[in-house]
Amino acid sequence: KNEVEQSPQNLTAQEGEFITINCSYSVGISALHWLQQHPGGGIVSLFMLSSGKKKHGRLIATINIQEKHSSLHITASHPRDSAVYICAVSANTGNQFYFGTGTSLTVIP
Amino acid sequence: KAGVTQTPRYLIKTRGQQVTLSCSPISGHRSVSWYQQTPGQGLQFLFEYFSETQRNKGNFPGRFSGRQFSNSRSEMNVSTLELGDSALYLCASSLIRQGGGEQYFGPGTRLTVT
Repeated sequence: KNEVEQSPQNLTAQEGEFITINCSYSVGISALHWLQQHPGGGIVSLFMLSSGKKKHGRLIATINIQEKHSSLHITASHPRDSAVYICAVSANTGNQFYFGTGTSLTVIP
Repeated sequence: KAGVTQTPRYLIKTRGQQVTLSCSPISGHRSVSWYQQTPGQGLQFLFEYFSETQRNKGNFPGRFSGRQFSNSRSEMNVSTLELGDSALYLCASSLIRQGGGEQYFGPGTRLTVT
């Protein structure tokens, strides 16, 4: 049983397209994180959120606590956005940290 | 501010050996968490250290252990290595406890067990 489910697993988009990645979780959380991992392994934290919506440049993250669902949106996608996007949650009991399996995004010029 | 650093970056070990990995957090960060990433299992939480105490532990055998020093630097040790321990080991630091703070990841140590 996976505490965090992501969809889609793979995504190919044309440059300029609007992209949505979804994340559902089954545990109570203190925070949800969106991470970006480029080839080679380095991970960058994009957002940490516990309610509402956050925006950073062309990236927008939303969370619905009641539905246990979060989305990551990329507007005007660019080839440099090609990476694996990972959803992770900090559980509010036991302080465990659970990861989704990631969404591999390829943006074609 | 310097980012999170991990040493070594690459390591090759033989089954049965032990290994120690090091993580230096961002200055001022007191929480260090360790993660294992494999193609089959993805990212998995190993443990978190805060103020030199292990606060949380994932579902890994006792062969995996760690510690944190007074300067917040952390080490992770794996004893009696198995082929399945081959993975990218990532550490992340945070100002506050793992659940409440943004995590800053190091570049990882890629361990190969032969």
